[in-house]
Amino acid sequence: DARVTQTPRDKVTEMGQEVTMRCQPILGHNTVFWYRQTMMQGLELLAYFRNRAPLDDSGMPKDRFSAEMPDATLATLKIQPSEPRDSAVYFCASSTDGVYEQYFGPGTRLTVT
Amino acid sequence: AQSVTQLGSHVSVSEGALVLLRCNYSSSVPPYLFWYVQYPNQGLQLLLKYTSAATLVKGINGFEAEFKKSETSFHLTKPSAHMSDAAEYFCAVRSGSYKLIFGSGTRLLVRP
Repeated sequence: DARVTQTPRDKVTEMGQEVTMRCQPILGHNTVFWYRQTMMQGLELLAYFRNRAPLDDSGMPKDRFSAEMPDATLATLKIQPSEPRDSAVYFCASSTDGVYEQYFGPGTRLTVT
Repeated sequence: AQSVTQLGSHVSVSEGALVLLRCNYSSSVPPYLFWYVQYPNQGLQLLLKYTSAATLVKGINGFEAEFKKSETSFHLTKPSAHMSDAAEYFCAVRSGSYKLIFGSGTRLLVRP
């Protein structure tokens, strides 16, 4: 049963610390998405990659967030420095050409104190 | 530009009653439409999708949705609600070649 995996599942950190979230897309999927979900804003698209190249990161705060795909099996989302307003659940999703539905990971719940 | 509107942020039904969750879309191209479900502390899971084939789409867990072009709607239904259906439901429309635009979600409460 192919699934998107995300680590860590939960992260509590202090304001100002660096946070790195990792995602392993479904094997063979070439498009990876990062979302953030909060009660106030709902589900927001932060960035997405196709064939490891960033296609759109306009949803990300540029000064503190960065997203990369070091290889086809790993996507990372970094926040440096973290702030309390970054507290949210961050989801990774993947899809492949010709298949428009996205498959979501279980999420990383980030709490910044 | 593509968008979806989900009417009703919360819907409450009794166990065994009909479930109807509403979604209206706007799309400048033939739409591909999706319903996702999110259970507490989990990611979104695909329920069903419409990709220009049959207008009545059947999904998992007894859900189905009907694409109505004249009404620009893609409402989700289930004849008989079960307690395990309590979750948040998201409607989405394809945007461009890769993106999905999600609605704001509808939380379904099932009363015993």
